[in-house]
Amino acid sequence: NAGVTQTPKFQVLKTGQSMTLQCAQDMNHEYMSWYRQDPGMGLRLIHYSVGAGITDQGEVPNGYNVSRSTTEDFPLRLLSAAPSQTSVYFCASSYMGQGAYEQYFGPGTRLTVT
Amino acid sequence: GQQVMQIPQYQHVQEGEDFTTYCNSSTTLSNIQWYKQRPGGHPVFLIQLVKSGEVKKQKRLTFQFGEAKKNSSLHITATQTTDVGTYFCAGPLTTDSWGKLQFGAGTQVVVTP
Repeated sequence: NAGVTQTPKFQVLKTGQSMTLQCAQDMNHEYMSWYRQDPGMGLRLIHYSVGAGITDQGEVPNGYNVSRSTTEDFPLRLLSAAPSQTSVYFCASSYMGQGAYEQYFGPGTRLTVT
Repeated sequence: GQQVMQIPQYQHVQEGEDFTTYCNSSTTLSNIQWYKQRPGGHPVFLIQLVKSGEVKKQKRLTFQFGEAKKNSSLHITATQTTDVGTYFCAGPLTTDSWGKLQFGAGTQVVVTP
């Protein structure tokens, strides 16, 4: 049981390049989400999904796309990278149901856009 | 919109001392969660509080949810070096979106031996 995995761990992009951050979970969680973490700002929700084929925007969705074709995978696409997207990106998953909805976070991807 | 604020932003603690970090919301929360992130690591779930006035303990950590469900606190007694990290509180963005969390900016805790 690997939990939530993210690739790559580190990435450097030039302004205008595109790329996809990968996220996968093996816990059969319905809910998955992407956050970005910037110094002094906590974690901000980019996009989330409540199941395969269903996605929605969070607090800071501009410049990012997501899709959810399977329960396990939730990739995040940067369409045209900008220096303002330099950040640490975390993917998280959660069981949907009664009780504690604790989110399980992946190890993160540290992205630098030059 | 809803805002979740944490104070203090930084906390320097002598090993063995107690400290408290606070979380305040501009709106009533259906629940609140606390996470801990070690330096260079990812956030790890600590606890969720749901009921008004709820108090939960995990060893040296005591979590409290306010009566009005607009604030919460984390109190750590006899701080140890293993308590180093950033503690975040998080509440649902809207009343019907338990999973869409808004995180506070966090309290970064540094422990001096």
